[in-house]
Amino acid sequence: QQPVQSPQAVILREGEDAVINCSSSKALYSVHWYRQKHGEAPVFLMILLKGGEQKGHDKISASFNEKKQQSSLYLTASQLSYSGTYFCGTVHRGSTLGRLYFGRGTQLTVWP
Amino acid sequence: IAGITQAPTSQILAAGRRMTLRCTQDMRHNAMYWYRQDLGLGLRLIHYSNTAGTTGKGEVPDGYSVSRANTDDFPLTLASAVPSQTSVYFCASSDSLRGSIDGYTFGSGTRLTVV
Repeated sequence: QQPVQSPQAVILREGEDAVINCSSSKALYSVHWYRQKHGEAPVFLMILLKGGEQKGHDKISASFNEKKQQSSLYLTASQLSYSGTYFCGTVHRGSTLGRLYFGRGTQLTVWP
Repeated sequence: IAGITQAPTSQILAAGRRMTLRCTQDMRHNAMYWYRQDLGLGLRLIHYSNTAGTTGKGEVPDGYSVSRANTDDFPLTLASAVPSQTSVYFCASSDSLRGSIDGYTFGSGTRLTVV
């Protein structure tokens, strides 16, 4: 039930772009994205509720392809503060509302 | 500041001992969750509660129990701790009636080591 994230790790220079992918074997109701800094709790970034929906959060945006059961997180012109582990979370269509299954995470490191 | 309080922050526990991790929220969220986080495995759902008085099992419930006597508190109990329960435990909550539009709010975590 756990979604699959790729890549496992990304190393960037400041100003470079990155894409993190999340795919599920089950039909999805929604996709969440979270960022976790080392030693801290995960922090909610955004939720995508409809197929094709794209949302933005500063220079971080995401898309949701309901048909393919996939979501992608786009980090544009990355900043040092973007470093952390990114998790997608999926809510399955027809399941208990709000129950989230998290991927294993993508570790993003941004160097100056 | 509204949020989730977890206690203790960290604990070293002898195998076979009983332990309760505490979680309290002040946002009046209906739904609460317990996750464990292990390196390379991400966050895995242990138990959840959609409303006071109801609980359900997640992906990895064995060895854990929960109760939800009221809206604010959601304690997690390890009846007889084993070393494989060494992990970081996060409590989270969401307003499930809004379909989790605002996402989950997480507590700061409890780092548990079972020796």
